[in-house]
Amino acid sequence: DIQLTQSPSFLSASVGDRVTITCRASQGISSYLAWYQQKPGKAPKLLIYAASTLQSGVPSRFSGSGSGTEFTLTISSLQPEDFATYYCQQLNSYPFTFGQGTRLEIK
Amino acid sequence: QVQLVESGGGVVQPGRSLRLSCAASGFTFSSYGMHWVRQAPGKGLEWVAVIWYDGSNKYYADSVKGRFTISRDNSKNTLYLQMNSLRAEDTAVYYCARERLLYSGYDSMGSDYWGQGTLVTVSS
Repeated sequence: DIQLTQSPSFLSASVGDRVTITCRASQGISSYLAWYQQKPGKAPKLLIYAASTLQSGVPSRFSGSGSGTEFTLTISSLQPEDFATYYCQQLNSYPFTFGQGTRLEIK
Repeated sequence: QVQLVESGGGVVQPGRSLRLSCAASGFTFSSYGMHWVRQAPGKGLEWVAVIWYDGSNKYYADSVKGRFTISRDNSKNTLYLQMNSLRAEDTAVYYCARERLLYSGYDSMGSDYWGQGTLVTVSS
């Protein structure tokens, strides 16, 4: 099975900051990677698919990049509503797997 | 608008069975693959299973293989998860989620719509 490792696991930042979250795969997954945002008590929300394509309705301050084994999610200027937990998911081969999550909190 | 509504969760004893349902509306259900994803209390997301749009293929996480069965009834716009031989570690909120890609087979682009989740608690 493909393992995904996110870093950092916890991130403290301020409104207006630029933040980057990394997701590393245990083997190459081409661009079969998605990013999700989850707020407490809510279902996850798809932000990015195919590693770098913004899902409809998602603000342009979110961007994704990478291919193969290393991927990044960047938020260019943090807004108050962005404080949440972020997960990557590989969709290259079954079983699909998620990273362990990155919790983004207000500094 | 797209809606996914899970039901069937509850408290069940270890070793017993439970069937979850996910009622879909607002889209052509028979054109989309569907996933189950779970989240144990205070933990991260765990992908559980997928069924292709036509039901022709199903795949499972190693942790549930042989115990859980995903199925669908396209005439009823409903997705199911039959869970047998339940264990304490199966305690979680279970979400159904729609595959983003139309008529997806092995290709997947993630899940663009999710239900609100249903809680399954396995405890004696």
